[in-house]
Amino acid sequence: DTGVSQDPRHKITKRGQNVTFRCDPISEHNRLYWYRQTLGQGPEFLTYFQNEAQLEKSRLLSDRFSAERPKGSFSTLEIQRTEQGDSAMYLCASSSRLSLSYEQYFGPGTRLTVT
Amino acid sequence: RKEVEQDPGPFNVPEGATVAFNCTYSNSASQSFFWYRQDCRKEPKLLMSVYSSGNEDGRFTAQLNRASQYISLLIRDSKLSDSATYLCVVNEGTGNQFYFGTGTSLTVIP
Repeated sequence: DTGVSQDPRHKITKRGQNVTFRCDPISEHNRLYWYRQTLGQGPEFLTYFQNEAQLEKSRLLSDRFSAERPKGSFSTLEIQRTEQGDSAMYLCASSSRLSLSYEQYFGPGTRLTVT
Repeated sequence: RKEVEQDPGPFNVPEGATVAFNCTYSNSASQSFFWYRQDCRKEPKLLMSVYSSGNEDGRFTAQLNRASQYISLLIRDSKLSDSATYLCVVNEGTGNQFYFGTGTSLTVIP
C-alpha cells in the first residue's frame, strides 16, 4: 500500500497527558498537511509543510500543538496537556510537487478521545 | 463569514435520480477547487478537481462560477454507492491552506 499512513489509528488518553501522532505521506510527496475534524464538520486546517519547512499554521492552533517534519518525509503532531475539546479525528494529507492544482490525498486518520 | 459554505442537507434521493450540490466561497482570489467524498468514519477521498471550463467524469459534472463565487456538483443516475458526504474544498492558489465546507450528506434510497 503506497498511500498515506497514520499511526496510531485510535488513541484514548486522560486529560492533561501529552500525545504524539505520526504521518507517513505518499513517497516523494513534498507537501504535507494536518487537519482536525469533529463530528458533522469538514476538516479544519491545522498546519502545512513543504519539505521540512512549516510554511503555514492556523491561527486556531494553540501553543499546546506542535508539528515537525524533520527530514521532509514523515511528520509528527504533538498535543501537550490534552483537553476534552481536543477529542477529534486528526487527518494527514499529502500532495505532490508535480500537481499544479494541489490535489491532496488523505490518510485514514487518528481518532483521539480525551477522557 | 465562513470561507466555504455548503448546504448540509441531508439529501435523500431515489436510485436513478439526478442531484445537485452547490457550494459558495468568500475569497475571490481562490484558484483551486475540489469535490471530495467522505464515507462515514473514513477519510476524505478526492472525487474531482473543478476547472474553470467545467469538467465531467462519468456521471459526475463539476462547474465553477467565478462571478458568483460558487461551485457545483451534479450527480446523474444516482447509485446506492453514491451515499456519502460530499465536501467542497477551496484553495487560494498557493497550495498552502485549504478550506473545507461542512459537507453535504447524500443518501440514495432503493
